[in-house]
Amino acid sequence: DARVTQTPRHKVTEMGQEVTMRCQPILGHNTVFWYRQTMMQGLELLAYFRNRAPLDDSGMPKDRFSAEMPDATLATLKIQPSEPRDSAVYFCASGFLIGGTTDTQYFGPGTRLTVL
Amino acid sequence: GENVEQHPSTLSVQEGDSAVIKCTYSDSASNYFPWYKQELGKGPQLIIDIRSNVGEKKDQRIAVTLNKTAKHFSLHITETQPEDSAVYFCAASRRGGATNKLIFGTGTLLAVQP
Repeated sequence: DARVTQTPRHKVTEMGQEVTMRCQPILGHNTVFWYRQTMMQGLELLAYFRNRAPLDDSGMPKDRFSAEMPDATLATLKIQPSEPRDSAVYFCASGFLIGGTTDTQYFGPGTRLTVL
Repeated sequence: GENVEQHPSTLSVQEGDSAVIKCTYSDSASNYFPWYKQELGKGPQLIIDIRSNVGEKKDQRIAVTLNKTAKHFSLHITETQPEDSAVYFCAASRRGGATNKLIFGTGTLLAVQP
């Protein structure tokens, strides 16, 4: 049963600390999405990769957030320095894009981040 | 850009009744409309999707209808069961576009009372 995995599942940190969240997309998928979910804003798209190349990160605060795909099996989202307003659940999703159309996005279980 | 509105924000039904959740979208070029179910502490899971070349799709107790003219689509759950209780999100995207981004609605908390 192929699934998107995310680590850690929970993270509590203090303001100013660096936070790194990791995602392993479903094997063979070539698109990866990072979302943030809060009660106030709902599901927001932060960044989007296709074939490991960043295509859209317009939803991401550039000064403190960064997203990378070091290889096809790992995507990372980093916050440095973290702030209390970053507290949220961060989801990774993957899918398979071919010929201009995209398949379904499959979500991971999320990382619940609390910044004190 | 695309904007998706979802109603109602909360919905309570008795077990066995039907539930309907409605979404409207703004971008007439949107052509892919998935529905996700999110249970407490879990990520959203796709339950059904529809493309703009069909008006209705059904999968057991779940159905989705699409009205392209009015730019709205709806999720119908029949014979609801307590395990249907969750938050449901609609979304819209333009397949074949540059980024294929999903734009999500704000979610509907469905409570099925036993």
